[in-house]
Amino acid sequence: AQSVTQLDSQVPVFEEAPVELRCNYSSSVSVYLFWYVQYPNQGLQLLLKYLSGSTLVESINGFEAEFNKSQTSFHLRKPSVHISDTAEYFCAVTPMNYGGSQGNLIFGKGTKLSVKP
Amino acid sequence: DVKVTQSSRYLVKRTGEKVFLECVQDMDHENMFWYRQDPGLGLRLIYFSYDVKMKEKGDIPEGYSVSREKKERFSLILESASTNQTSMYLCASSLRVWGDIQYFGAGTRLSVL
Repeated sequence: AQSVTQLDSQVPVFEEAPVELRCNYSSSVSVYLFWYVQYPNQGLQLLLKYLSGSTLVESINGFEAEFNKSQTSFHLRKPSVHISDTAEYFCAVTPMNYGGSQGNLIFGKGTKLSVKP
Repeated sequence: DVKVTQSSRYLVKRTGEKVFLECVQDMDHENMFWYRQDPGLGLRLIYFSYDVKMKEKGDIPEGYSVSREKKERFSLILESASTNQTSMYLCASSLRVWGDIQYFGAGTRLSVL
């Protein structure tokens, strides 16, 4: 079975400051990794994903995440945040090989990023 | 773009009522999911379906059932709503069950009084 731990439930930060949202996972098999974002009163949207290849993946709005297999981490970073980045961010994993219900996405509990002017 | 539409954004029901939450996707996806989202608990999978008329229990199926009569539509049913089912409900769909992006609807905020 897989599990995901998001180490911070809330992260307050000032506009234009850098931010890192931490995600660690546990799994006995290889996994795919995702970050989803939920803006207020909306559903979840995919921010970025790691399926294979380069361990550093980027989104179109300046976020990046690095897959670290030895530390089982997939931390999300942005060098300079904007007010519009205020949202809740969810890390998720799914095993690479199908195993019935174990093939589903397993989500962390979320990190609320609050960007202040 | 994939579109997942949930029929209601907000719903208020009474304890004991039968409640239907509807979800429709327009991308011919095989798989559909229902999650419940509560503060501090993240998303928890209630049920999912990998084909028409097929369903599998997720992590918290108690008190819920589902129906998938057509590929594009997946319904969540609360047979007898209770106050502890007050929550945000999110529907999602994906092309494959595993290793694939899930596309989410905007959510239905259900209040059971």
